Amino acid sequence: DAKTTQPTSMDCAEGRAANLPCNHSTISGNEYVYWYRQIHSQGPQYIIHGLKNNETNEMASLIITEDRKSSTLILPHATLRDTAVYYCIVRSSSNTGKLIFGQGTTLQVKP
Amino acid sequence: DAGVIQSPRHEVTEMGQEVTLRCKPISGHDYLFWYRQTMMRGLELLIYFNNNVPIDDSGMPEDRFSAKMPNASFSTLKIQPSEPRDSAVYFCASTDPSGVGSYNEQFFGPGTRLTVL
Repeated sequence: DAKTTQPTSMDCAEGRAANLPCNHSTISGNEYVYWYRQIHSQGPQYIIHGLKNNETNEMASLIITEDRKSSTLILPHATLRDTAVYYCIVRSSSNTGKLIFGQGTTLQVKP
Repeated sequence: DAGVIQSPRHEVTEMGQEVTLRCKPISGHDYLFWYRQTMMRGLELLIYFNNNVPIDDSGMPEDRFSAKMPNASFSTLKIQPSEPRDSAVYFCASTDPSGVGSYNEQFFGPGTRLTVL
């Protein structure tokens, strides 16, 4: 599975959109981009995933560049409860097992 | 469904003692994962099972660690003997990858915080 690079930390004002970038320049054709988050003292939680099309669900939107070498997770209206560590993970469709977590981005939503 | 259940939530033990962590996956999920999280190393996959069979244990740190899954609804992670460097939060997760495409969200339990003195 390809490696990902994320900024260590970001701040966002409450009510504003939070845009979390992820670089995955070595991604291959059958690899998906997954996002999980971990709120303090809890287990990680799935947010969204995608292959090449942009995706949206009730939690967030995922924008994947055309060359698939990077992506952005968007929380449209961040709240204080969105303060967490956000992990971007690249995973092969043939891999039904492992999630390899990097260091993630610590998002601090401020009032 | 109650989600993934882990017990105990907190465990404090002394070096050299045996520690057993327990996990009940979500009913119907046929994959189970054990992770360990520390400040220094982040979140690491230790081992995972499919249909109660260990598939990949390459993340298990050493022979002091062992994991079993005697049936579809129960798994244990055992450390014997425990050492202070084993202090961490241990998470269990489960998934059912029978959905469309590659969608196989992993559901994590609340974790067990282990402190070895």
